[in-house]
Amino acid sequence: NAGVTQTPKFRVLKTGQSMTLLCAQDMNHEYMYWYRQDPGMGLRLIHYSVGEGTTAKGEVPDGYNVSRLKKQNFLLGLESAAPSQTSVYFCASSYSRGGVIQYFGAGTRLSVL
Amino acid sequence: KNQVEQSPQSLIILEGKNCTLQCNYTVSPFSNLRWYKQDTGRGPVSLTIMTFSENTKSNGRYTATLDADTKQSSLHITASQLSDSASYICVVSGITDKLIFGTGTRLQVFP
Repeated sequence: NAGVTQTPKFRVLKTGQSMTLLCAQDMNHEYMYWYRQDPGMGLRLIHYSVGEGTTAKGEVPDGYNVSRLKKQNFLLGLESAAPSQTSVYFCASSYSRGGVIQYFGAGTRLSVL
Repeated sequence: KNQVEQSPQSLIILEGKNCTLQCNYTVSPFSNLRWYKQDTGRGPVSLTIMTFSENTKSNGRYTATLDADTKQSSLHITASQLSDSASYICVVSGITDKLIFGTGTRLQVFP
C-alpha cells in the first residue's frame, strides 16, 4: 500500500519552461489537493479536487493548472515557470472534507532558475 | 484575519526529556485542530485531530490539548527520542473546511 506517490522528487527548470507534477493515490480517496511549502510560511493550497473530473481553485492558484481525469491521479501543471514558483510541492488526499486526515506525499522540490 | 501562530520557532532538547509546543489561532468559527509531524524531506503525517468539544487527545507519547475558549493548543512530547526530531505543524480548520497551516516548530533531539 503506497499511499500518496509524487513524481518527480526533484526538478530544475529554466524560466519559461513547462512541466507537470504527478500525484497518485491508491486509497480510493475522493478528495485530492496540491499545496506549496515555502520557507517561513505555512502550507498553502494551490488547487483541489472533490472527485474525478472536478477541480477548484485554492488560495494561490495563479500560474498553475490541474486535471483529475482519473480518480487516483491529480496532475499539477506549470505552463510557463517563474522563479517565484521555486518551492516544495505536496500532494494530499482524503476520503472526504471536514475533520478527516489528509495523507501527504513525500513532496516534489522544484527550482526555477 | 484567520491565523495560526506557533511557538517556539525552534527547540533543542536532550533525549529522554519532555517538551511542549504551543499553537495560538484566530480562526473563527472553529471546526477542528490538527497536529502534524513533518520529517525533513518528507510530507506531513497526522498525529491528532481534535474538535472544539475535545480537550485532550493522545497518540502514544504525543498528547495534544485544546482550549477553544482561549484559542490555544499545545502538543506535549513525553520521553523524547531521536526520531522525534522533526517539524511539528499546527493546522486549524474553520467551518468552510479551509485549512490554515502554522509555520511549524522545528524540534531537534540530541543524545
